[in-house]
Amino acid sequence: EVQLVQSGAEVKKPGESLRISCKGSGYIFTNYWINWVRQMPGKGLEWMVRIDPSDSYTNYSPSFQGHVTISADKSLATAYLQWSSLTASDTAMYYCAREGPDSRGLPDWGQGTLVTVSS
Amino acid sequence: SYELTQPPSVSVSPGQTASITCSGSKLGDKYVCWYQQKPGQSPVLVIFQDTKRPSGIPERFSGSNSGNTATLTISGTQAMDEADYYCQAWDSSTSHVVFGGGTKLTVL
Repeated sequence: EVQLVQSGAEVKKPGESLRISCKGSGYIFTNYWINWVRQMPGKGLEWMVRIDPSDSYTNYSPSFQGHVTISADKSLATAYLQWSSLTASDTAMYYCAREGPDSRGLPDWGQGTLVTVSS
Repeated sequence: SYELTQPPSVSVSPGQTASITCSGSKLGDKYVCWYQQKPGQSPVLVIFQDTKRPSGIPERFSGSNSGNTATLTISGTQAMDEADYYCQAWDSSTSHVVFGGGTKLTVL
């Protein structure tokens, strides 16, 4: 069974840094892209970035380029999303999702990581 | 950048057919996926490659895509189908994933 398990909820202050994680299991981690998706409170899904874990090739949404960094550790089968300086507008639920092959969408999602940024 | 447009809300009576549209330029030339999201839960893929259902998704969910519009159809809508639905495609020029704004389906 494919599973994506995300790290727990975080409460941070503006200006602080943060890294959240997404651990894949039940499949060959390096064979499938991992995506991160933001959902702000009461709002829709926003695609942020994707990474090919086999070579760490990345693809960023222009809306998030320069504000977040995606990475992956093949040996740990884990993808990461990090911020160097959080703002209140980063308060949201963040989901990781495994991308299926051949335009099969995002069939597997993590449980979400709630990030709250407040002074 | 590529954009997908969905109606904010759709209402349907139990047992009737619900149709949720997703529009974008030459959308019929791309593959479209649909996701269902219930409150407090992660999204679930219900349609991929325009018309295909993942295993475990009921047959009442179907999809189509032609021209500039893709449609998710739920036949014999049940109360449990009340949720937010999102369409998704890829911007072929950038390989970026694109989501529609989402449609709240109310079953009343």
